[in-house]
Amino acid sequence: QVTLRESGPALVKPTQTLTLTCTFSGFSLSSGQMCVSWIRQTPGKALEWLARIDWDDDKVFSTSLSTRLTISKDTSKNQVVLTMTNMDPVDTGTYYCARGGVGAIDWFDSWGQGTLVTVSS
Amino acid sequence: EIMMTQSPATLSVSPGEGATLSCRASQSIDSHLAWYQQIPGQAPRLLIYDASTRATGIPVRFSGSGSGTEFTLTISSLQSEDFAVYYCQQYHHFYTFGQGTKLEIK
Repeated sequence: QVTLRESGPALVKPTQTLTLTCTFSGFSLSSGQMCVSWIRQTPGKALEWLARIDWDDDKVFSTSLSTRLTISKDTSKNQVVLTMTNMDPVDTGTYYCARGGVGAIDWFDSWGQGTLVTVSS
Repeated sequence: EIMMTQSPATLSVSPGEGATLSCRASQSIDSHLAWYQQIPGQAPRLLIYDASTRATGIPVRFSGSGSGTEFTLTISSLQSEDFAVYYCQQYHHFYTFGQGTKLEIK
């Protein structure tokens, strides 16, 4: 059974850096052409894909947010970490990690429950 | 960026009836399209991928069709648990989602 769970701060101040962790089970990110993506849901832009990291450590970012995002993985812990710099109130929303995006699974077949992030001073 | 446009924004249907949701891509995406269902307070759930393939565990009353730029999600005989928001998403070039269609009880 594939499961994913997001964790991180519920509240960040404007200009701060957001760090989110996705802890997953039921698959390996070191083989099998697997990948994990981050997707957010905001009132203004509905669902928006942010970034993806692949089994071979390839990383892909949303063009509009690439300068603010980094993504990494720790295969021993089954974790993927997303950081987003210079947070703004418009970044308020629910952040999801999901399995998929390329390789064996081009779509997003399993999602975490999401973590709500509010950007406010 | 490939834009995805869903219609209608809201669809009111009675339980037991069928529903047809539309999704249009701004350029051809072949069959690289997925459909998701989102119940308020929950994460999106994959229903359909490759435009017409049902995901594991999805009831047969859900079906997808289309290719190129025009796609349809059809739900036959709506059940109470089907009233939710539905999103289409392309994975032909990066990933973009439609704005969603809210399926509500008439």
